[in-house]
Amino acid sequence: SQTIHQWPATLVQPVGSPLSLECTVEGTSNPNLYWYRQAAGRGLQLLFYSVGIGQISSEVPQNLSASRPQDRQFILSSKKLLLSDSGFYLCAWSVLPLSGGPQQYFGPGTRLTVT
Amino acid sequence: GNSVTQMEGPVTLSEEAFLTINCTYTATGYPSLFWYVQYPGEGLQLLLKATKADDKGSNKGFEATYRKETTSFHLEKGSVQVSDSAVYFCALSDRSTGNQFYFGTGTSLTVIP
Repeated sequence: SQTIHQWPATLVQPVGSPLSLECTVEGTSNPNLYWYRQAAGRGLQLLFYSVGIGQISSEVPQNLSASRPQDRQFILSSKKLLLSDSGFYLCAWSVLPLSGGPQQYFGPGTRLTVT
Repeated sequence: GNSVTQMEGPVTLSEEAFLTINCTYTATGYPSLFWYVQYPGEGLQLLLKATKADDKGSNKGFEATYRKETTSFHLEKGSVQVSDSAVYFCALSDRSTGNQFYFGTGTSLTVIP
């Protein structure tokens, strides 16, 4: 079965420090991968998605970046964190099955607090 | 373009009350529709889905019917429990836009005993 891992689960970082969040998927090949951010009390904001190794699409301008060095690894980074980067970061993956339509699966999330 | 609009929350209900959370969508093609649930401090879990018009998705007592004529996918449950307290997200995915997922803003539900 497929599983998705995210770490760390929680993180407290000072303003101006770097960031690296990691997401890995098991049990599937060539998935589409996504990073979302959920600010407190708000909906999901799609940050990046990737359809393959080295292929990254950015949905919103920001001081964050993403990389996909391996098929099932997706990394979210920042060189200098801002207070506004605080939030709940969710990694997700999707594949298009032979039947039943697409489906997206989410990781457990990382709670980032920038102080 | 594609978008999803959900009723604003928060919603507070007593245990065993009837639940409806409204969701309407706009899509350029023929989307699949989803409801996801997020329990406190966790990621999103798929609750139910429907892939074509008139399909009914159901799970854990929740139901939603894909209504193409009204572009709606309202979530219902006949008798809510305290354990149903969570945030509920309506979403769509459309082949015409590369199967990208579009989420509503989420509706927070609190069920009180």
